[in-house]
Amino acid sequence: GNSVTQMEGPVTLSEEAFLTINCTYTATGYPSLFWYVQYPGEGLQLLLKATKADDKGSNKGFEATYRKETTSFHLEKGSVQVSDSAVYFCVISAGGTSYGKLTFGQGTILTVHP
Amino acid sequence: DAGVTQSPTHLIKTRGQQVTLRCSPKSGHDTVSWYQQALGQGPQFIFQYYEEEERQRGNFPDRFSGHQYPNYSSELNVNALLLGDSALYLCASNPRGRGYEQYFGPGTRLTVT
Repeated sequence: GNSVTQMEGPVTLSEEAFLTINCTYTATGYPSLFWYVQYPGEGLQLLLKATKADDKGSNKGFEATYRKETTSFHLEKGSVQVSDSAVYFCVISAGGTSYGKLTFGQGTILTVHP
Repeated sequence: DAGVTQSPTHLIKTRGQQVTLRCSPKSGHDTVSWYQQALGQGPQFIFQYYEEEERQRGNFPDRFSGHQYPNYSSELNVNALLLGDSALYLCASNPRGRGYEQYFGPGTRLTVT
């Protein structure tokens, strides 16, 4: 079956530090890849997506590149802010009959200090 | 434009009881999916509905069932509640054929005692 493995957390950084959260996946077919974010007290929100190999998804200064050869989709941001503190989920949506069924990683808690 | 709404916000039930959770999808969306999120874990897919039928199902027992109405709203029913069913239940909706574009509701926190 499909699965997602995320970097173990939690991650604690100072403001303006560089962020990387690693994500690898296994899937049948050709999945679409996503990062979702859950801010404190809020619902899950789509942060960025990539639907084919070498695509780069980006939003709010965050980036992730679809690497088919390494089955990875690492999340990066050059300079984090306190407001980026949240839980980040790497997610895949496999194609074919599983289209639309999202498989989540376990989540990585990010805390950014001033 | 209202997003995905869910009710109730919180619910406390006793083992063995039955519960119904409700979801209204985002305007223009006709597909609804349900997820269970245990504390400290990522959401797990329960099932997906469109055209009033269950189209996909995750690894959940038959105690979990659902329904979709002609207006696309949906219900999740859980029978014979177990302590392990305590979790945040999330509803997500998307336009037909765009399963990669799911919008999530705030969830219903279910506590089973």
